[in-house]
Amino acid sequence: EAGVTQSPTHLIKTRGQQATLRCSPISGHTSVYWYQQALGLGLQFLLWYDEGEERNRGNFPPRFSGRQFPNYSSELNVNALELEDSALYLCASSLVRLAEQFFGPGTRLTVL
Amino acid sequence: QQQVKQSPQSLIVQKGGISIINCAYENTAFDYFPWYQQFPGKGPALLIAIRPDVSEKKEGRFTISFNKSAKQFSLHIMDSQPGDSATYFCAALLGDTGTASKLTFGTGTRLQVTL
Repeated sequence: EAGVTQSPTHLIKTRGQQATLRCSPISGHTSVYWYQQALGLGLQFLLWYDEGEERNRGNFPPRFSGRQFPNYSSELNVNALELEDSALYLCASSLVRLAEQFFGPGTRLTVL
Repeated sequence: QQQVKQSPQSLIVQKGGISIINCAYENTAFDYFPWYQQFPGKGPALLIAIRPDVSEKKEGRFTISFNKSAKQFSLHIMDSQPGDSATYFCAALLGDTGTASKLTFGTGTRLQVTL
């Protein structure tokens, strides 16, 4: 069974640009979660999507947004990039209403 | 109330020794406590998890001990091996409410197992 996949592996942008990160959940999983792992700050919850709807949001500004597609894959968009957005962005998926979340390998975003 | 406090920040253990990582939480509404293992450049991998109705869970060399009254839980790695060297995160989840299904993570413990 394939795990959670994310693309791209690395992304380099400059300040003010927009970044788009993609995630494909484990087959059969309908919930997708996004987390930010910045150096020294641990894992911070960003967004949770389930059945195409945003269900919960972490303490991040509105320029962090996303969506979930009918095939349950998801996209995270970060607008007006700032230097401090440089981090590893992790996507996780789970069967809805079950607690086990399985993580992908992440996308390393570098903002110059 | 949403925080999960993890200690120590780093840990060095000799091969064959026991590694112990501790976490504490405040919110009694948390009802699922997983531990994740993360190697450099990789995403976190679910290691073992426990619910508060159980005081201990063991899977191979990994054991979670849970103290509901103290609001603490810990990970024990028996017979630690160099391959266990990684960063370990505890986490807590606010129930299957359907509206609050986010993991709150501890700050991580960097474990190094020496020969």
